[in-house]
Amino acid sequence: LAKTTQPISMDSYEGQEVNITCSHNNIATNDYITWYQQFPSQGPRFIIQGYKTKVTNEVASLFIPADRKSSTLSLPRVSLSDTAVYYCLVGDRTPGTASKLTFGTGTRLQVTL
Amino acid sequence: SQTIHQWPATLVQPVGSPLSLECTVEGTSNPNLYWYRQAAGRGLQLLFYSVGIGQISSEVPQNLSASRPQDRQFILSSKKLLLSDSGFYLCAWTRNGNEIEQYFGPGTRLTVT
Repeated sequence: LAKTTQPISMDSYEGQEVNITCSHNNIATNDYITWYQQFPSQGPRFIIQGYKTKVTNEVASLFIPADRKSSTLSLPRVSLSDTAVYYCLVGDRTPGTASKLTFGTGTRLQVTL
Repeated sequence: SQTIHQWPATLVQPVGSPLSLECTVEGTSNPNLYWYRQAAGRGLQLLFYSVGIGQISSEVPQNLSASRPQDRQFILSSKKLLLSDSGFYLCAWTRNGNEIEQYFGPGTRLTVT
C-alpha cells in the first residue's frame, strides 16, 4: 500500500502557477497516481490521473519523474475559485482494489487577490 | 452522461435513532459503489464498497451497514445512531476497470444530537 505525503497547506496569489508535490516512495509497479479536488461541503472531484512522464488536460498537468517516487500537480494561473483541498492518491486500477486507497488530509490551497 | 445522487442533503437525528441514506447512479451499468465518511477537517474514511448487487465489503467495524438492492442503488443504514456517527457521508462510483478514478455524489451532512 503506497503511502503519500503532501504539504498540509499552500498559499498563492491569483494568476500564479501552483505546483503541489506528492511523495510516494513505495509506489508499486501497477500503481497509478490520481489527484482530486474538494471544495467545502462537496464531494471530491477527479482532476487527473497518470502513470509516468506528463499528463495534461483542460484543468491541470501532472508531472511524474522516471522513478515515480513523487508527482507534481500543476495548476496554471489559479483563480480564487481554485481554493480547495487537493488530494494525491496512489493505487492500482484493478477492480476490487479501491479499498486500498487512502484519502489523507490533502493540501489546502488558499488563493488570494 | 453519468450522474450520482444522494439524499437527503442534510439530516439531524437524535442518538439511538435509525438511519437510512440513499445513493443512486444514472447513466451507467454495473458500477462499483462506495460509501465514505469525512469528519470535519479530516480525510475520507472508506466504510463500504460493493462490486455488484448484494455484494458488500466492510472496511471499518461499526454500527453501520450497507446494502445494494439494485445495480445502481446503494444504501447506508444504522439501527441506532451514535454521536460519533456525525459527519459528511459521501457515495462514489467507479467504472469496473479503473478503481482509482472515482466520481462522488454531493454528500449528506449528518448531525447526531
